[in-house]
Amino acid sequence: GDSVTQMEGPVTLSEEAFLTINCTYTATGYPSLFWYVQYPGEGLQLLLKATKADDKGSNKGFEATYRKETTSFHLEKGSVQVSDSAVYFCALGGGGYQKVTFGTGTKLQVIP
Amino acid sequence: GAGVSQSPSNKVTEKGKDVELRCDPISGHTALYWYRQRLGQGLEFLIYFQGNSAPDKSGLPSDRFSAERTGESVSTLTIQRTQQEDSAVYLCASSYGLAVNEQFFGPGTRLTVL
Repeated sequence: GDSVTQMEGPVTLSEEAFLTINCTYTATGYPSLFWYVQYPGEGLQLLLKATKADDKGSNKGFEATYRKETTSFHLEKGSVQVSDSAVYFCALGGGGYQKVTFGTGTKLQVIP
Repeated sequence: GAGVSQSPSNKVTEKGKDVELRCDPISGHTALYWYRQRLGQGLEFLIYFQGNSAPDKSGLPSDRFSAERTGESVSTLTIQRTQQEDSAVYLCASSYGLAVNEQFFGPGTRLTVL
């Protein structure tokens, strides 16, 4: 069945460091891929998405490219801020799937 | 406009009791999802409603769990004879149309079974 695998956290970075959170997926169809973010004390919200191969989703300085050949959707940001501290979830859905499958989440802590 | 709301925000119950959790989706959203998030773990899919179609119940962990939705409005998740392993945050999300679209999440109900 479909599944999403994320790198385990927590990830601790200094402010202005480069961030990569790895995400790979297994799917038989052509799903859309998502990154959701959960800030402390808040609900999950969509960060970015990509709906087909080679698409790049971007928002708030974060980017992720849908790589069908490596079945990956890694999240990157060139310079993290303390306010980026949150839990990040990779997910897949659509493309014939009627439900969205989430990864286990990666906690990011950015220190000043 | 109003987002997805859930009630209660916290529920403490004794083992063996039944609990009912409520979700009010965003008006006009045809799809509604329930997830379970255990402490330190990811989101576990429970059930999915899409309009008037039969729900996808494939994620319900046992027959103690059930959910209903009236049309495209409120949904209730019922857990019968609660067990300690049912303790978790139960999240509801709604979206307009298919799973490819953005899901909007409620704040969750934190369930503690003593």
